[in-house]
Amino acid sequence: SYELTQPPSVSVSPGQTARITCSGDALPKRYTHWYQQKSGQAPGLVIYEDTKRPSGIPERFSGSSSGTMATLTISGAQVEDEADYYCYSIDTSGDHRVFGGGTKLTVL
Amino acid sequence: EVHLVQSGTEVKKPGEPLKISCKGSGYDFSSYWIAWVRQMPGKGLEWMGIIYPGDSDTRYSPSFQGQITISVDKSIRTAFLQWNRLKDSDTATYYCARRPMIVVGENWYFDLWGRGTLVIVSS
Repeated sequence: SYELTQPPSVSVSPGQTARITCSGDALPKRYTHWYQQKSGQAPGLVIYEDTKRPSGIPERFSGSSSGTMATLTISGAQVEDEADYYCYSIDTSGDHRVFGGGTKLTVL
Repeated sequence: EVHLVQSGTEVKKPGEPLKISCKGSGYDFSSYWIAWVRQMPGKGLEWMGIIYPGDSDTRYSPSFQGQITISVDKSIRTAFLQWNRLKDSDTATYYCARRPMIVVGENWYFDLWGRGTLVIVSS
């Protein structure tokens, strides 16, 4: 099987920059996508294909990828950004599509 | 407006069958793959499988192959997820999600999600 590894939690103060990482062996050859899930809600796409931001997602959300690690950055995090964040990608064989374990972002 | 509308909460006993649904509206339903994603209580997301309504082409995660059946009725713009015999461990929220029409190779992602169907399996 294939695994994507995320830190369980990240905590920042409002206005600070939050960085959430996702590591996986296939990431040099595969795109990473990021989802935000607020408490009691369905997930929503915040970054796709490593760096692209869907319409309606604030500019403070950005993504990058280098080697075996992808990073979701929230510049000037706000209280409303508190949520679980999941990365998502595929292994090199194409057999395993997986989500990372999720990172709980606390902004307070 | 574009939506995926999922069926309501189900409470079932172990061994019972179940079929839940996901209806698309506001877009060309037949042209977009629909995936199913499991979230067990307090846990993360797991990709289960995906179907193309246009021709019913279906792919399953190795972790779920043989445990579930994904189907579609494009005439009513609805995808389905079903179990023949539920287990306690099937208790979870199940989301359907749409894959964009154009993606880069196998780098699929999901741009539209339903609100989820809670399935509770308990004796």
